[in-house]
Amino acid sequence: DAKTTQPNSMESNEEEPVHLPCNHSTISGTDYIHWYRQLPSQGPEYVIHGLTSNVNNRMASLAIAEDRKSSTLILHRATLRDAAVYYCILRTGANNLFFGTGTRLTVIP
Amino acid sequence: DVKVTQSSRYLVKRTGEKVFLECVQDMDHENMFWYRQDPGLGLRLIYFSYDVKMKEKGDIPEGYSVSREKKERFSLILESASTNQTSMYLCASSFLRYNEQFFGPGTRLTVL
Repeated sequence: DAKTTQPNSMESNEEEPVHLPCNHSTISGTDYIHWYRQLPSQGPEYVIHGLTSNVNNRMASLAIAEDRKSSTLILHRATLRDAAVYYCILRTGANNLFFGTGTRLTVIP
Repeated sequence: DVKVTQSSRYLVKRTGEKVFLECVQDMDHENMFWYRQDPGLGLRLIYFSYDVKMKEKGDIPEGYSVSREKKERFSLILESASTNQTSMYLCASSFLRYNEQFFGPGTRLTVL
């Protein structure tokens, strides 16, 4: 499985944008970039995914570097409910998801 | 709303006991998964199933077995529980193998 590298933790002030980075220098041409998050005492939940182009949905935006060796999950306006562990995952086709240890996001009121 | 439920949030068992963890999804999904989550190790896939009565080993199947007799239900079985199986167990389902996965709330199992 291609691996990703994320910072262990990040902090953000409430109502400010948050940029969560992910490095994936060994990504292959068929790997999709997926993001999940896990709120305290809950199972992970899907956030967003993309292949080459930037993607937006109601939860977040995903910015993918031109060489695809890195990506950034953008939360446009952090709330206290966004405090969670965020996982960046590479996935090829029907291969299984590989969850690393993720980035723990703390949102400061 | 999409829903994956797990039979227990917390479970305490003794070494050597047979343990059943149940997972039910109401989305008519073909694929179901069992993971365990341990501090510093992230989520690790134990088994998954892509159809009724079908199963495949994940990354850490040793000490576990699974059963899928009905589409909506996927059971994880610890034939003889050991203390190193103390963990958080998470069930997930997806419509297709490469679609987003929907997770249950997890079962925290303690083996004494």
